[in-house]
Amino acid sequence: AQRVTQPEKLLSVFKGAPVELKCNYSYSGSPELFWYVQYSRQRLQLLLRHISRESIKGFTADLNKGETSFHLKKPFAQEEDSAMYYCALSTSNTGKLIFGQGTTLQVKP
Amino acid sequence: EAGVTQFPSHSVIEKGQTVTLRCDPISGHDNLYWYRRVMGKEIKFLLHFVKESKQDESGMPNNRFLAERTGGTYSTLKVQPAELEDSGVYFCASSMGTNLQDTQYFGPGTRLTVL
Repeated sequence: AQRVTQPEKLLSVFKGAPVELKCNYSYSGSPELFWYVQYSRQRLQLLLRHISRESIKGFTADLNKGETSFHLKKPFAQEEDSAMYYCALSTSNTGKLIFGQGTTLQVKP
Repeated sequence: EAGVTQFPSHSVIEKGQTVTLRCDPISGHDNLYWYRRVMGKEIKFLLHFVKESKQDESGMPNNRFLAERTGGTYSTLKVQPAELEDSGVYFCASSMGTNLQDTQYFGPGTRLTVL
């Protein structure tokens, strides 16, 4: 069965420190991976998607099929990055998303 | 442009009662999804509409849940009768298409508490 695992419930770093939010998936085919973010008192929104290979707000994520991972990285965390981050997987063109449990990122001043 | 809206924002009901959640997608979006986050667990897919048709309802927990999208515009999700384990946040999302480039836009969610 398809599954997304985010091993850390909470990640706390200081401003300016590098950040890596871990995401592992299980799927035997070719997955499409996404990172969604929910800032305080805002709705869930797309941060970036694997297929676009983009960098948004300084965040990047590389799909590693060998390790079945899609970790989210940022070299220098900012306080405004504090939010809940969800990794999600789509395995078909139906649009159905399979989410991980989410990681709360706390960036301290 | 108005985003996805959901009503109500919060609902507190007693076990055995009925609750109806509403979702208004972004205008022109044929695809509408319902998801649910139960306390401490991941956001889980419930079902997917394409216009007024149910494309995939594999995530619906049981027959106490009924989703409709008459006319292909707004959707309702009715829980009848509600049980304690139905408590959680119900999200609605909409997208223009289902290609991987089509972004799903989420509503603010409805927080349901069943006492």
